[in-house]
Parts: sequence; C-alpha cells; structure tokens
Amino acid sequence: DSGVTQTPKHLITATGQRVTLRCSPRSGDLSVYWYQQSLDQGLQFLIQYYNGEERAKGNILERFSAQQFPDLHSELNLSSLELGDSALYFCASSAGGNYGYTFGSGTRLTVV
Amino acid sequence: AQSVTQPDIHITVSEGASLELRCNYSYGATPYLFWYVQSPGQGLQLLLKYFSGDTLVQGIKGFEAEFKRSQSSFNLRKPSVHWSDAAEYFCAVGVTNQAGTALIFGKGTTLSVSS
Repeated sequence: DSGVTQTPKHLITATGQRVTLRCSPRSGDLSVYWYQQSLDQGLQFLIQYYNGEERAKGNILERFSAQQFPDLHSELNLSSLELGDSALYFCASSAGGNYGYTFGSGTRLTVV
Repeated sequence: AQSVTQPDIHITVSEGASLELRCNYSYGATPYLFWYVQSPGQGLQLLLKYFSGDTLVQGIKGFEAEFKRSQSSFNLRKPSVHWSDAAEYFCAVGVTNQAGTALIFGKGTTLSVSS
C-alpha cells in the first residue's frame, strides 16, 4: 500500500456522461497530481494542486476539472465523456518541492 | 519545452544477461530525473531518482542509472536481469515549482525476459 488511495478502481460509463474520480493523498502530503495513461498518449501530466490551490497545469482538456478540498483529498471531474477518454487515471502526492513522490494504484475508466 | 525520449519501445533480454534502457531528455536547467517501473495492471513504482551530486544513482531491485549531462541521457542499467523484471519502464524529467514536481514521462520501454 503506497498510502495514496484512489477510488473507484474501475469505472465503466457511457459516452456523454460525467464521472468523478477521488484521490486521498499520503498522510502529510500537501501536493496532489493527476496523470492520465492511455495507449495513444502514454503517461501525461494533467494538473497539480497544493494545499487547495491549483499550481500547475498540463495537458488537461477543458471538459476535465479538478479540485482539492480542505482535508486535502482531491477529485478529478470528467464530463461529456468520449471513447478516447478511456484510460488509467493516476493520482500522486508529495510533500512539496523535490520530496518523495508516491503514486496511487489508479482508476481504470472505460467509456462505452 | 521539456521532453523525454525512450528510443526503444520493446527490448527482450535473456535471464541473467545485463540490461540497459536508454533515456534522453530535453530540459533547460539542471534536470530532476526519475525511472519508474509498471507491472501489468499495477501502478507506478519508483526505481531511482537523480536530483544532484553523484551522477551514478543506485536504486531498488539492483538497478542503477547514470546521468550524463553532455549526452542529455539518464540510462537505466542492471547487471543481471531476473524474470520478475519483465515490466514497462518509464523515464521522467521533473518540472519543479515550490509546491512540488510535475513529471514529464517518456513513452516507456517494455522489457521482456526470456529463459
């Protein structure tokens, strides 16, 4: 167990729908990162939050959004889902700076 | 822009043979470099990282990597491969701000181990 918890582990939904992926960071970590892993694009950085604030943005689509709550858990919201959004979504957390970086086990999203 | 290139998509190595996985990066400043391993259906496990100092970095599971600034490379090596090393390997460069380090990953190299 890495200490980073992602739920659900698997999600199957239809095109056009909206889903929410949840991440609880390792205890004490203030930074949360979201990554998408797909066959086409590989592993891509989506977005970073630090102590509730957005700090960096990567290749995140406008249909996707995220937030980090006061208890530091984070949610990634994916809307108007398309077949191409099917992927493994990873959350990672760190204490900030260049401290250790821990990945969760991922949420596998399948859009049908 | 920062980028990472892993030139080899798939490599097959005999069990007990040595291994080298190549990684080249593009980054304007001193890079933070990482190697991760992913087994089928699993998450990402950190093998080793380079931030500064000694350019030869030791990691877990007997892996090591050497940072060569002149070649913009950070190749991963293991002297003797075990069947359990079969997995996908990702090299990454870290883009750091005060809040943490976002990782830019290469496309990965799939390692197969033959008996």
